[in-house]
Amino acid sequence: NAGVMQNPRHLVRRRGQEARLRCSPMKGHSHVYWYRQLPEEGLKFMVYLQKENIIDESGMPKERFSAEFPKEGPSILRIQQVVRGDSAAYFCASSPRGHSGRANEQFFGPGTRLTVL
Amino acid sequence: GQNIDQPTEMTATEGAIVQINCTYQTSGFNGLFWYQQHAGEAPTFLSYNVLDGLEEKGRFSSFLSRSKGYSYLLLKELQMKDSASYLCAVVSGGYNKLIFGAGTRLAVHP
Repeated sequence: NAGVMQNPRHLVRRRGQEARLRCSPMKGHSHVYWYRQLPEEGLKFMVYLQKENIIDESGMPKERFSAEFPKEGPSILRIQQVVRGDSAAYFCASSPRGHSGRANEQFFGPGTRLTVL
Repeated sequence: GQNIDQPTEMTATEGAIVQINCTYQTSGFNGLFWYQQHAGEAPTFLSYNVLDGLEEKGRFSSFLSRSKGYSYLLLKELQMKDSASYLCAVVSGGYNKLIFGAGTRLAVHP
């Protein structure tokens, strides 16, 4: 049973370009969370999605950032017109359900390290 | 607001015991996780507490006091491979959203 998959693992973009980060949850998991980790800082919640629905995007910047989790395929985090401050590690996590509890532990992917030149 | 505090760095000797503390003030509480994260890798699950008391799991134990907004992770018989960051995370709200502390970097030396 493969774990959470993220690709690419490393992504380099120039200022103004677009970055697309992909996350395939664990088999059987329909809940996806995106977190951002800036250098020397903790993980910060960005968005929580279920299939075809954004449930909580309270941590997403209001502009340039969007996320989706289509019926088929991976979840995508999209950053338009990237700036140097977007350089960070972006982690995706999945869980079998969206409620709290040990049984709904979030399993993390290896992350995508975005570098904006 | 949401605030989770843990020490930035700690050092310990191989074979010793170390306790990493975490205090939290969050608008909601539905449990607390401890994760281990090696440099450049994904966080991996260590422990989960939702009720007060101690949870023991091999060399690792975690304690929670909800009334004090306090938890600690206890690592026994330290090994070099335990050198990593340890992340305290509170489950806040009904959607299982995790609020993380900045992490504690633990260095184990011979």
